[in-house]
Amino acid sequence: DADVTQTPRNRITKTGKRIMLECSQTKGHDRMYWYRQDPGLGLRLIYYSFDVKDINKGEISDGYSVSRQAQAKFSLSLESAIPNQTALYFCATSDFAGELFFGEGSRLTVL
Amino acid sequence: SQQGEEDPQALSIQEGENATMNCSYKTSINNLQWYRQNSGRGLVHLILIRSNEREKHSGRLRVTLDTSKKSSSLLITASRAADTASYFCATDARGSNYKLTFGKGTLLTVNP
Repeated sequence: DADVTQTPRNRITKTGKRIMLECSQTKGHDRMYWYRQDPGLGLRLIYYSFDVKDINKGEISDGYSVSRQAQAKFSLSLESAIPNQTALYFCATSDFAGELFFGEGSRLTVL
Repeated sequence: SQQGEEDPQALSIQEGENATMNCSYKTSINNLQWYRQNSGRGLVHLILIRSNEREKHSGRLRVTLDTSKKSSSLLITASRAADTASYFCATDARGSNYKLTFGKGTLLTVNP
């Protein structure tokens, strides 16, 4: 099994719908992150959490919310999806100061 | 805003040649990391170099860091077609509590 698992892997939805992307990890890391990747723009940080009681906004948090249900689970929600949220979303984990471990990504298309 | 910027944006070489990618960043860092991404897949960590290190090797990879110029380079020697991927640098700015910021990446194509 993968260390970082994202579901769903692909999702097509309509404008205005609520969407949740889920992430679970078996690394035992306290730190979890949600990134968004758009062609030509690299990865941008949406939200991050350094432990279960800690949630922080990244550089592009507007239109998104997160929930850290447990050390191993970190979900990203789009309350009312819009077309410019069409992107590839990545969850990642890390220990205190080391490398990030990424999931395989969730490709979201908002029509 | 992007902390790291890779150069070039795209690089095409023949198998067996060396590939060099550069990364420039803006603020003081704790460490700099390089990641690889095969098309549409998750990123995979390649190497981490700390701000007090100048060079690091891992297999066919060589990373250098020049903190005075705020730049790093990734050299892949004797490239293979399987090295075709996007390569990203990520910086951990001082005071960011070890939160990484990624550049836009270099797309490397290695032709057989």
